[in-house]
Amino acid sequence: DIQMTQSPHSLSASLGETVSIECLASEGISNYLAWYQQKPGKSPQLLIYYASSLQDGVPSRFSGSGSGTQYSLKISNMQPEDEGVYYCQQGYKYPFTFGSGTKLEIK
Amino acid sequence: QVQLKESGPGLVQPSQTLSLTCTVSGFSLTSYNVHWVRQPPGKGLEWMGRMRYNGDTSYNSALKSRLSISRDTSKNQVFLKMNSLQTDDTGTYYCTRNPGYFDYWGQGVMVTVSS
Repeated sequence: DIQMTQSPHSLSASLGETVSIECLASEGISNYLAWYQQKPGKSPQLLIYYASSLQDGVPSRFSGSGSGTQYSLKISNMQPEDEGVYYCQQGYKYPFTFGSGTKLEIK
Repeated sequence: QVQLKESGPGLVQPSQTLSLTCTVSGFSLTSYNVHWVRQPPGKGLEWMGRMRYNGDTSYNSALKSRLSISRDTSKNQVFLKMNSLQTDDTGTYYCTRNPGYFDYWGQGVMVTVSS
């Protein structure tokens, strides 16, 4: 199985700050990488797919980059509604696997 | 609009079988894959398996011996059955559409395994 190592485990940011979350795959996943945001008691919501494509309706302050085994999610101009847990997920090979999550809070 | 909704019992006894239904609307099961993902309380997401648009299935090898996914296209429903449930199967179970990434999710159904 492809292991997805996500870092950091948690993060605290001030309003307006830019933050980055990293995801390292145990083997190359050819940009089949998605990012999700999950708020308490809610289903995950797709933010980014194919490493850098922004899902419809997602604010442009979210962006994704990377290739091969290393990927990152950047949130610019942190807003209160950006609090939540963020997960990366590889869709390159079954079984699909997720990172362990990054909890993002407002400082 | 695209919607998925899970339904099923909230409480299952240990060693019993879990049966869940995912009812979809706004898209066809013969055009899109539907997957099942679960989440233990306070923990991360685990991919369980999928029903492909053509009826093929694929399962997480960690669950394969206990898991079965089927569908009824006439009712727009995908079914999950998992037997020999244990307490660590407790969690929220989601169905989600996948055109290459999980773009729409159901609200989830919380399943507790307890006697």
